[in-house]
Amino acid sequence: DVKVTQSSRYLVKRTGEKVFLECVQDMDHENMFWYRQDPGLGLRLIYFSYDVKMKEKGDIPEGYSVSREKKERFSLILESASTNQTSMYLCASSLLGKAETQYFGPGTRLLVL
Amino acid sequence: GQSLEQPSEVTAVEGAIVQINCTYQTSGFYGLSWYQQHDGGAPTFLSYNALDGLEETGRFSSFLSRSDSYGYLLLQELQMKDSASYFCALRGTYKYIFGTGTRLKVLA
Repeated sequence: DVKVTQSSRYLVKRTGEKVFLECVQDMDHENMFWYRQDPGLGLRLIYFSYDVKMKEKGDIPEGYSVSREKKERFSLILESASTNQTSMYLCASSLLGKAETQYFGPGTRLLVL
Repeated sequence: GQSLEQPSEVTAVEGAIVQINCTYQTSGFYGLSWYQQHDGGAPTFLSYNALDGLEETGRFSSFLSRSDSYGYLLLQELQMKDSASYFCALRGTYKYIFGTGTRLKVLA
């Protein structure tokens, strides 16, 4: 079974802090994704990566950056956390060319005070 | 713009059949996926339509009509465990757009 793990289930940070969210997958998937999920808005793509050191912006990249130094690990970085970044963050992975079938991690619920 | 519309909530009784609709506005895409998400859980993949028509996977079926900009997920023989949120999602070129989700409540 594909396993996608995220570093924290719950995180509380203060406005202005730099926040790192880590995601690791164990199935050698080329694609990795970061979404945020908010009530009534569904899942919105922040960034995705199709290879090491490669990244593409999603629909809402402002205020975020990503890093993919190893194939199995994809990090989401909030450069200076703001209260409007309080949300559930979901990481996913898929095989290259099979992005319609994504495997999700359990999510990190981030609260920015 | 690109958006996917779903009903916010659907209620049905155990053993019944329910259809969850997804309408979209987009300039182009490869196919339509469906995901299930239980409260507090991660989304899990259910089905994918690359072509128009019906795809069947056990009790779940999914349908796509590109000419009508419309798709749906059909759940048969509803069970209590089917109570969850269901999301449609479009796959495009470097584009992955999810619908707002439909909360399905199954009543005993």
